[in-house]
Amino acid sequence: AQSVTQPDIHITVSEGASLELRCNYSYGATPYLFWYVQSPGQGLQLLLKYFSGDTLVQGIKGFEAEFKRSQSSFNLRKPSVHWSDAAEYFCAVGAGNTPLVFGKGTRLSVIA
Amino acid sequence: GAGVSQSPSNKVTEKGKDVELRCDPISGHTALYWYRQRLGQGLEFLIYFQGNSAPDKSGLPSDRFSAERTGESVSTLTIQRTQQEDSAVYLCASSFSRGREKLFFGSGTQLSVL
Repeated sequence: AQSVTQPDIHITVSEGASLELRCNYSYGATPYLFWYVQSPGQGLQLLLKYFSGDTLVQGIKGFEAEFKRSQSSFNLRKPSVHWSDAAEYFCAVGAGNTPLVFGKGTRLSVIA
Repeated sequence: GAGVSQSPSNKVTEKGKDVELRCDPISGHTALYWYRQRLGQGLEFLIYFQGNSAPDKSGLPSDRFSAERTGESVSTLTIQRTQQEDSAVYLCASSFSRGREKLFFGSGTQLSVL
């Protein structure tokens, strides 16, 4: 069965610093990969997704993620974090018609 | 509507009572999902509806949980004889179809079982 691991439960970064959130997956087939963000009091919102092709994908709000098949990873990055980026971030994996499997999330705190 | 709507936003109930949670998906979305999010945990898949196909109930944790969907519109998740471990945020999402499509999530129902 597929699984998603987000090794970091909580990360704190300074505003303006770079950010990388880790995601590793286990899946037998070629997966579809997603990053969602859950801001306080708001529903989950899709940041970006990877299906095929270019392994570096761009998303909203200046985020990007790189699919590395050899490492079974799909890490999320942002070059310069803004205070409004403080939220919970979820990596998710799916394939074919299977329902999306989500990781446990990484909570991002941003300090001045 | 403009987005996925869930009601109620908060529900407090006593152990042993039944609860019903409602989800109004985005008009035209054939796929509808229910997920559960316990405190500090990821999203746990519960059930999936796609058009008129038989629902995928593989994620329902026990027979106390059931869900219905009328056509391609409203869905109701019912939890019978609630237990304290049922306390969680219940999230509904919809999309045009399964697989690659982006999910649009509602704001969830916070269920607290006392």
